[in-house]
Amino acid sequence: SQELEQSPQSLIVQEGKNLTINCTSSKTLYGLYWYKQKYGEGLIFLMMLQKGGEEKSHEKITAKLDEKKQQSSLHITASQPSHAGIYLCGPYGDYGQNFVFGPGTRLSVLP
Amino acid sequence: DSGVTQTPKHLITATGQRVTLRCSPRSGDLSVYWYQQSLDQGLQFLIQYYNGEERAKGNILERFSAQQFPDLHSELNLSSLELGDSALYFCASGGRRTGELFFGEGSRLTVL
Repeated sequence: SQELEQSPQSLIVQEGKNLTINCTSSKTLYGLYWYKQKYGEGLIFLMMLQKGGEEKSHEKITAKLDEKKQQSSLHITASQPSHAGIYLCGPYGDYGQNFVFGPGTRLSVLP
Repeated sequence: DSGVTQTPKHLITATGQRVTLRCSPRSGDLSVYWYQQSLDQGLQFLIQYYNGEERAKGNILERFSAQQFPDLHSELNLSSLELGDSALYFCASGGRRTGELFFGEGSRLTVL
């Protein structure tokens, strides 16, 4: 089964700082999703990456999938308190794939 | 608003009891996924249904069961509840071509 690891487990940064969260797969990914969860709420879709080397940006969040499609990074530029939450990566497969997420990275942004 | 509706939002019950959580997927979505999230376990995939049939099973206990009805809403039944079952239970729908999931706001279960 697909195993996903995320690092770091938790992260505390000062507002305005840049940060990077990593997601590593034990197997080559068909694609990968990034989701964000505010504490105690449902998950919100951020981005989907499917091609090796693909990079996508949304506002101040950039995600990239490496060429081998086994590692993805999510980078936040000039972090804000609104970026706080839990970031989870999940594998994308064919229709009907088990949607098993990584353990998540807890981000706190101090004002 | 994701379009996925979960009820109830909060539920407090006692050990040994049985509860039913309900989920209405987004209009047009045939797949429903159930997840359990507790503080120490993270987001755990429980089960997936597609158009009324079980499609995939994750870490779902035998005391738990689910079903998807002809109108596509789904119910998650939790029985013989234990303290450790206290968690947020999420339902999600989606999984069409892109596979993106849309999550409900969750049902928070507290077992006393």
